[in-house]
Amino acid sequence: DAGITQSPRYKITETGRQVTLMCHQTWSHSYMFWYRQDLGHGLRLIYYSAAADITDKGEVPDGYVVSRSKTENFPLTLESATRSQTSVYFCASSEGTTGELFFGEGSRLTVL
Amino acid sequence: AQSVTQLDSQVPVFEEAPVELRCNYSSSVSVYLFWYVQYPNQGLQLLLKYLSGSTLVKGINGFEAEFNKSQTSFHLRKPSVHISDTAEYFCAITGGKLIFGQGTELSVKP
Repeated sequence: DAGITQSPRYKITETGRQVTLMCHQTWSHSYMFWYRQDLGHGLRLIYYSAAADITDKGEVPDGYVVSRSKTENFPLTLESATRSQTSVYFCASSEGTTGELFFGEGSRLTVL
Repeated sequence: AQSVTQLDSQVPVFEEAPVELRCNYSSSVSVYLFWYVQYPNQGLQLLLKYLSGSTLVKGINGFEAEFNKSQTSFHLRKPSVHISDTAEYFCAITGGKLIFGQGTELSVKP
């Protein structure tokens, strides 16, 4: 089925470990985004990508790395996880910049 | 810089009562405005959007919002809520990147 899928849905890791969250979309949307959702902060943009091989920082990029070698995939890597990165992470995609985003179901990450 | 402020973090309301969720924004450029809804343990989905034209925008599930440029507001309303409307609602703006407010938790009680 067409859509946007995230994996894993749930992940527990330890401080200092590397973690990669995967995001895959089947619509061939140009734009893809990573947000984190924390109580009291709403959704904050981590990174976004306007096309394959084009990425840019959002509001809270520190500690995260992204890549976009293919249009349909946009993985998010925490190179050395910290407790403050415990959060729910949402991937989203859109055709353009008018703001109609399509979201995945989220990846809940716990860093111990 | 752009910002979005949702004035109420929680709104409790009884079933069949009207509701208004308030959203103010700040931007030095023209923006598009959105409301998204998030049901428990799910991602966000678009409720309605204002891009241009009529300032009264109708969305899914009987919701509507009014864009007020002079007051820089985009309040969401529904004349009669249902239990199934219990969710978190996010106001968002974009002049390029989509910026979200902190969310309003709508709790509909029987």
